[in-house]
Amino acid sequence: DTEVTQTPKHLVMGMTNKKSLKCEQHMGHRAMYWYKQKAKKPPELMFVYSYEKLSINESVPSRFSPECPNSSLLNLHLHALQPEDSALYLCASSQEGVNTEAFFGQGTRLTVV
Amino acid sequence: RKEVEQDPGPFNVPEGATVAFNCTYSNSASQSFFWYRQDCRKEPKLLMSVYSSGNEDGRFTAQLNRASQYISLLIRDSKLSDSATYLCVVNKSSYKLIFGSGTRLLVRP
Repeated sequence: DTEVTQTPKHLVMGMTNKKSLKCEQHMGHRAMYWYKQKAKKPPELMFVYSYEKLSINESVPSRFSPECPNSSLLNLHLHALQPEDSALYLCASSQEGVNTEAFFGQGTRLTVV
Repeated sequence: RKEVEQDPGPFNVPEGATVAFNCTYSNSASQSFFWYRQDCRKEPKLLMSVYSSGNEDGRFTAQLNRASQYISLLIRDSKLSDSATYLCVVNKSSYKLIFGSGTRLLVRP
């Protein structure tokens, strides 16, 4: 069972809606990630937080806004999304350092209508 | 050229077969390597890290060849439950995991 918890598991939103995805981990990891995965494609990195500070933004459109309220929580705020943003959004966490593996949550399956 | 390349498959093998996947990476400065497994509509799950000396976990053996920049995964005595997509993952720099496109494995009875 994953120790990274994401809510909600499924989300349908209109293009004018504002919604948030939530992620929580209690493994003491200091790095947390957002990935986006389209069908039959690998996960693509969106954002990385290290020690609660944004360290990587992979040129993600501003309609996606990450937030790290504390070391255990990671949010992704969504606003004015497009239908092509429909995907599986995965949160992950890891220890700091280059040789550490990342652990993924079950994901939020987002549909934009 | 993609940073991490895998044969997409599918590899269709009978139960009990041995199957091997390869993965190549382009950045010689890559520092760590992993195999993840992903079931349909589920999250990726860590299968094993890959060490320079090679490592084994039960029926699974992973090898790293830094000189040729490839990683391999060998699965012995395939089970039906091994059917999944296997993702090769390379840590390009701190916190930047790069995923290959995955190799799909189908194990048939």
